[in-house]
Formats: sequence, structure tokens, C-alpha cells
Amino acid sequence: GAVVSQHPSWVICKSGTSVKIECRSLDFQATTMFWYRQFPKQSLMLMATSNEGSKATYEQGVEKDKFLINHASLTLSTLTVTSAHPEDSSFYICSASLGSETQYFGPGTRLLVL
Amino acid sequence: GENVEQHPSTLSVQEGDSAVIKCTYSDSASNYFPWYKQELGKRPQLIIDIRSNVGEKKDQRIAVTLNKTAKHFSLHITETQPEDSAVYFCATIYSSASKIIFGSGTRLSIRP
Repeated sequence: GAVVSQHPSWVICKSGTSVKIECRSLDFQATTMFWYRQFPKQSLMLMATSNEGSKATYEQGVEKDKFLINHASLTLSTLTVTSAHPEDSSFYICSASLGSETQYFGPGTRLLVL
Repeated sequence: GENVEQHPSTLSVQEGDSAVIKCTYSDSASNYFPWYKQELGKRPQLIIDIRSNVGEKKDQRIAVTLNKTAKHFSLHITETQPEDSAVYFCATIYSSASKIIFGSGTRLSIRP
């Protein structure tokens, strides 16, 4: 149980285009979903916290207009990287919570912007 | 502010020896302390966690200790094996925001 999927697993795009990443909780309803970014050899940095039906809460330094988060249902949250640039290339990981401290992580999406 | 410090950043131990990774945190209200193992290109996996009402927890070769007064917690791996090689992250939940803050990570290498 408690499986979280992400799609796509990897994506290559041209600079200036937008990329959407989906995060799904497959066998449970997640009250909260989180989005992280991880650069090579670095830690996971929380970007935003997403609750179903409400606006996401962004961490300091994360541009909400560039990283659009939509949490349309209790099983789906999407992250859209708008007007992507090479510096946005990273490993994006989502996690989902049932409401307790335990978070279940997705497999991650590797984004490469050319 | 919200901060978790982790050290060492890299650790190399002989197979069969023990490895210890230490973390400190700043928020005295933190009450949940998970440890994650991440292999290259994969998702973090929870390997053990501890809550603030206990001082130590053990699961086979892995143990975690917590000192709430000093705001320290540590991961102990005994009888290390090659498959223990990975990056390990400590973390804490800031209860006021219910979000996980990760340490900077420790790259553990097990020498054969």
C-alpha cells in the first residue's frame, strides 16, 4: 500500500517551453502533497506544500508563477515548470501524506532543459 | 529558523564495521525524526524513524538515538554490508507546518 507514482520519469525539453509533471497517490487519498527539487549531489529542497482544493504554499525563494502547482483531487497534484531554462534542470520528487508524519515519495522526474 | 545540520558529508567504512551519522536540529517543537536512504537516481526510502517520546529505536542492524535536550539524533549502522552504500538523509518534521526538512546528506561508502 501507499504507492505514489510520477509521470513522466524523465523529460527533455527546449528552453522556453513548459513542462508538466504529475504526482498520483495510487491506493490512498493524500490530504497533502509536497514537491521537492534535488540538484546533483545535494539534498532534497522543499519547493511547496499542496493541499487539495486550495492554493499551494511555496517555500521562500520559489517563484509561484514559474512553478505552478495544481492539486485538483485527493490523488493528483501537478507541477508545471513554465518557460523552463537550463538552470531548472533537476530531479523533481513529490511526496504524499495521509495526514500523519509519514510521507510516501514518488520515484522522481528527471528534467533536462536544453 | 528551520534547520537540520548533518555530518559527516562523506563516510567510508570497512565492510563489517559500524557507521554513525549525526544530525542536529533547531526547532525544539520537532517531534518526529525520520532517516532516509537514497540510491542514485531513486526516491528516498524511509529506513527508520523515532518520535520524541523515546530515546532509542532499533531495527536489526540499524538504530537511531535521540537526545531532545541537546537536539541531537544519530543513525547507527552495524555490521555494514556493500548494499549499505548510499546517501543517507536525516530529517525532521516541523509540526507547525507539517513539512519535512532534510539534512544535507551523508554519502556512505562501504569498502570491501
